[in-house]
Amino acid sequence: QQQVKQSPQSLIVQKGGISIINCAYENTAFDYFPWYQQFPGKGPALLIAIRPDVSEKKEGRFTISFNKSAKQFSLHIMDSQPGDSATYFCAASIPDNYGQNFVFGPGTRLSVLP
Amino acid sequence: KAGVTQTPRYLIKTRGQQVTLSCSPISGHRSVSWYQQTPGQGLQFLFEYFSETQRNKGNFPGRFSGRQFSNSRSEMNVSTLELGDSALYLCASSLYPSDTQYFGPGTRLTVL
Repeated sequence: QQQVKQSPQSLIVQKGGISIINCAYENTAFDYFPWYQQFPGKGPALLIAIRPDVSEKKEGRFTISFNKSAKQFSLHIMDSQPGDSATYFCAASIPDNYGQNFVFGPGTRLSVLP
Repeated sequence: KAGVTQTPRYLIKTRGQQVTLSCSPISGHRSVSWYQQTPGQGLQFLFEYFSETQRNKGNFPGRFSGRQFSNSRSEMNVSTLELGDSALYLCASSLYPSDTQYFGPGTRLTVL
């Protein structure tokens, strides 16, 4: 119940295309869903985050879509650029002490071809 | 505001040795979490500290330990190093537990 599933494991997209990464969870106690971007040799950096009271959040070319009933959320990268090539992690957190507060998905390696 | 800093950035040790890694959180942040990242296992939670107290601990052997000081800086220690401990060790700080986590650049530990 503490897991967050993420797919695909890797993704190759042409420049200008749309990249879509999906995550799913089981524990309905999760109430905060951030996405992190990690470049090789760097720590993960917060990209965008959403709470379950909204169905969509957009920041620039990055959009999170959230489906509370399906317990799924996804990251959409519009007009994907080679500079977006990185590993993306979805995560979920629980407000109280249920053990690990943050649970991370296994990551998706995105490659955007020029 | 300065970000999360971790020292050292790179470390090479041999099996059986011990190592101490340091993390300075963002100013004002009182919660520090540690993660181990490997290509095969992704981000694995080690432990979390808040106000000098360990709140949560992941599924790692007792060789992995940590502590947090009154200024919120944290250290983690790995004793009797094994080859499998080679990984990127990440520290993340947040204002309080379950709040947005901000990661440091990590310490790359190589065990020979």
